[in-house]
Parts: sequence; C-alpha cells; structure tokens
Amino acid sequence: QKEVEQDPGPLSVPEGAIVSLNCTYSNSAFQYFMWYRQYSRKGPELLMYTYSSGNKEDGRFTAQVDKSSKYISLFIRDSQPSDSATYLCAMSRYGTSYGKLTFGQGTILTVHP
Amino acid sequence: KAGVTQTPRYLIKTRGQQVTLSCSPISGHRSVSWYQQTPGQGLQFLFEYFSETQRNKGNFPGRFSGRQFSNSRSEMNVSTLELGDSALYLCASSLANTGGDYEQYFGPGTRLTVT
Repeated sequence: QKEVEQDPGPLSVPEGAIVSLNCTYSNSAFQYFMWYRQYSRKGPELLMYTYSSGNKEDGRFTAQVDKSSKYISLFIRDSQPSDSATYLCAMSRYGTSYGKLTFGQGTILTVHP
Repeated sequence: KAGVTQTPRYLIKTRGQQVTLSCSPISGHRSVSWYQQTPGQGLQFLFEYFSETQRNKGNFPGRFSGRQFSNSRSEMNVSTLELGDSALYLCASSLANTGGDYEQYFGPGTRLTVT
C-alpha cells in the first residue's frame, strides 16, 4: 500500500463549480502537507502548504488537513478553465524543501467553459 | 530570475545503454532533488543533494546515481537502462539547507523513452 493515496480522476467540472480534491495518508510522521499544480509539459508548481493540522486559504483555494483522520483536501472555488491541470498532494516530515517529498498519484482536473 | 533548467528535454535510448541527465538550479539554490514521474507510480523521490553531498535517497536500485558540482549543477545517471525506466525525470531546487517552508522549484523535466 502506498503511503499517500489520491484518486487520479479524471475530474471534469463546469466553469464556476466548487472542486474538492483529496488525499489520504498512512505515515503519522508527516507534518508538512502541500498541494502542487502541474500543467501539461511543465514541472509541478507549489500552490500552497499547511504545517500540521488546520485550514489555510489563498484566494480561491483552501487547503484543509485533518491529522486525526490522515486526510487532506484542497477546495477550489469558482473554478476557471485555467485551473485545468493535474493536482498533486505531497507530504513531508521535515519541511517543504528538505529531504524527501512523498507525492500522491495526482488528480487530472478539467474545467470546461 | 531564470528558473530550473534541465537538458536534454527529450531522449530516446535503447535497453542496456546508460544515460546522463543534467539540471541547473536557480541561482543561489544549493539543494537539488531528483524525481521520477510515471503514469503508474506517480512522482517518486530519487535523491537529494546539498553542497555536493547526497543528503537523502529514495528506494531506487543502484543503477540510479547522481552527483552535484561545486556550482550546484547536478547530474543523474541511469546505467543498464530497462524499459521500465521510461519516465519524466524532474529536478527541483531549493534555497533551504534545513527543514522549513522553502519552496522546491521544479524544472520542466527530461522525457526519457527506453526502447
């Protein structure tokens, strides 16, 4: 079993919809929880991260971490066609840049006009 | 400021050959990490270098190796290529020398196809 599980989708939604992306994990040592976005033929780029449990909001994006359930989520409000990409969750024990990041499979999202 | 660059962008090799991929980090970044991305396994961590020393290593066979030079540029080498090594190889660089909230910046990757 993988340390991080993520439904690969694909997920297709109409413009303006609220999108919910989720990951579960098994390693309780993870402390940093990240969401990356990857456009076709590009490398992943960091959207946002959370340390330990709680919520974090950045514009249309909200990240939630529930360590008791080992479950993290990313919500996208008022989704736009430009949000169409692969979304990857990633986790780490020590930080967002130090050492090994463990990624989920990635969810392919398409937002159609 | 220039981003992470990787060369070559595309590569086709034959089983049994070896290959070397190159990564130039963002100026000033001393940490370089390598990842393999495949449709089946997703993004998997290969290794990380900081100041020419391998600091962390993932669960890949010894055919996968890397090094970092004094200017922080890094190379990874795969010997005795197998069909299953076909993947997108991503390099990421970071400022940090310890944990914390420094971002890893990814390059566009090198697409390796093994025939």
